[in-house]
This record gives sequence, C-alpha cells and structure tokens, in this order.
Amino acid sequence: GEDVEQSLFLSVREGDSSVINCTYTDSSSTYLYWYKQEPGAGLQLLTYIFSNMDMKQDQRLTVLLNKKDKHLSLRIADTQTGDSAIYFCAERDYSSASKIIFGSGTRLSIRP
Amino acid sequence: DVKVTQSSRYLVKRTGEKVFLECVQDMDHENMFWYRQDPGLGLRLIYFSYDVKMKEKGDIPEGYSVSREKKERFSLILESASTNQTSMYLCATRGATGELFFGEGSRLTVL
Repeated sequence: GEDVEQSLFLSVREGDSSVINCTYTDSSSTYLYWYKQEPGAGLQLLTYIFSNMDMKQDQRLTVLLNKKDKHLSLRIADTQTGDSAIYFCAERDYSSASKIIFGSGTRLSIRP
Repeated sequence: DVKVTQSSRYLVKRTGEKVFLECVQDMDHENMFWYRQDPGLGLRLIYFSYDVKMKEKGDIPEGYSVSREKKERFSLILESASTNQTSMYLCATRGATGELFFGEGSRLTVL
C-alpha cells in the first residue's frame, strides 16, 4: 500500500539551513504537501507542490521534488528558533476523495 | 482565512464513558475529516464525510462513530471510551486544491 517515510528527528544550528527529507511510494500522487505542527497545536499547511513541478520557492522555504526517486525535500533557509516544530510530509492521489497519506513527522530542533 | 474550531482542547474521561468531540468550520467546505495522532505513528484517518449525513470509514474506524447533521459541523463519538483511545484528535476540512485545514486538536485522556 501507499507509504510516506520521514526521519523522526533533525537538529540544526540557528542560522543554518535545515533540510527535511521524505520518500513516498504512490506513483499516482499528484499533490505533495508540507505541514508544520507547533507544540500543542494542529497542523498548519506550509506549502504544496504539484507533481508536474520540480521545485517551488516561497520566501525561506524551498521544496524539491524528484519524481523518479519519489523523493521530496523541504529546505528552510536561515533556520530560526520559531522554526522548531514537527514537519509532516503528505501525499494525495487526485483520484481519491479521501486519501491523503501522512508521514510520521520530523521533529526539528534548533541549537543556539 | 479558514477557521476550524474544535470545542474541547483537553478532556479527561473514564473508561466506558461516552465521549463527543465537536468540530465546526466556517468555510462551507464539503469534506471534513477526523484523524488521531499518536507519537511515531503520524496521522491516521478515522472517518471522513463528503456531505451532510454522508460518512465513510477511514483506516481505523473501530470504536468510533461520526455524525454530520449540518454542513458546518462534524462530530466524533466514542460510544464507550477505552484507555487505548487516549490520543490527540484532529479535525480537518479540505480546500479547493486538496489541502487540509486543521483545528487546534483535542487531547483526550481516558483513565
């Protein structure tokens, strides 16, 4: 079945770039998403990319999609303490009304 | 901005009690979802609804039921709460390009 995998933890120094990686299995995925969850809160959509794109940039965020390897990454430039959160990768098959598959989330922690 | 409101942020219930989790949205979205979130397991879909009075089982519906009597409101019901239902419950609606908008979550503890 479909699966989305992420590493569970990432630690970076404040001011460095963070790169969070995700792999997925469903070749029919047409939308891929990154969500952010701060402590005690729900998930907030950060950005999304259509499967016919390779890259999307939005201020400090850069999303890269490698369809051949089914690999998605989120790069956060100039990481700040406010970026500490859990980041979820998710994929959606456009033909499905409900199927959005989430990864288990990557907890990003920032070192001073 | 889409607003998804979950009525209870924190609940503590006893085993066997009936539990209602309420979710209200203000954007006239047709699709609404209930997920549970557990450490290391990510989000798992319990039920979803694509219209009033319409519902479909997700991946883990056992022990849960739902109600959608009005378009803006989607309720999750635990008929007889058990300790393994201690979790964070997240309600969401879906926007035009498939993105989900989440509420703040309801953290349920069953003793």
